[in-house]
Amino acid sequence: DAGVTQSPTHLIKTRGQQVTLRCSPKSGHDTVSWYQQALGQGPQFIFQYYEEEERQRGNFPDRFSGHQFPNYSSELNVNALLLGDSALYLCASSLPTGELTQYFGPGTRLLVL
Amino acid sequence: SQQGEEDPQALSIQEGENATMNCSYKTSINNLQWYRQNSGRGLVHLILIRSNEREKHSGRLRVTLDTSKKSSSLLITASRAADTASYFCATDGGGADGLTFGKGTHLIIQP
Repeated sequence: DAGVTQSPTHLIKTRGQQVTLRCSPKSGHDTVSWYQQALGQGPQFIFQYYEEEERQRGNFPDRFSGHQFPNYSSELNVNALLLGDSALYLCASSLPTGELTQYFGPGTRLLVL
Repeated sequence: SQQGEEDPQALSIQEGENATMNCSYKTSINNLQWYRQNSGRGLVHLILIRSNEREKHSGRLRVTLDTSKKSSSLLITASRAADTASYFCATDGGGADGLTFGKGTHLIIQP
């Protein structure tokens, strides 16, 4: 039973560039959430996708956008990268209803220079 | 913004001792969860306690919840070197807005 997978593992970009991160949910899960974790901090909720729609969004600017595909996999896009976007980006999958136990992927570490 | 605050920020104990971490939060919750993170990688779900529960056990883990004080504690008994990690509490408000995490407690188990 495959868990949550993310790609790439690491990424280095320069300010102003755009980046796309990818996530495949745990088998049987159809809800995907994205979190940003800065160094020394807890994860912060970016948004959640269910049935290919953004269901809820945290306090992140429009530079952060996402997509969910019919196979439930998801992408996180960040435009006009800033130095402060350097962080670990975590994808988590869950069932759409009931208790929100999240299954996390290993994360993508993004460094913006 | 962070919902919860874990206390202490860091904890170092000897192998075999018990470790206790505390979490305080601000708003009403549907449930509270604890996660472990090793070396800045993905988080692993440890235990979930519902708002109408006061205590829950899972193996060497014991979680308590006091909704009147908006606080929770995680006890790890008979600690092992492999328990070295960061521990986060996360609250679920019941909506579709994901989990709200605290800043975590970094636990070091010394052999």
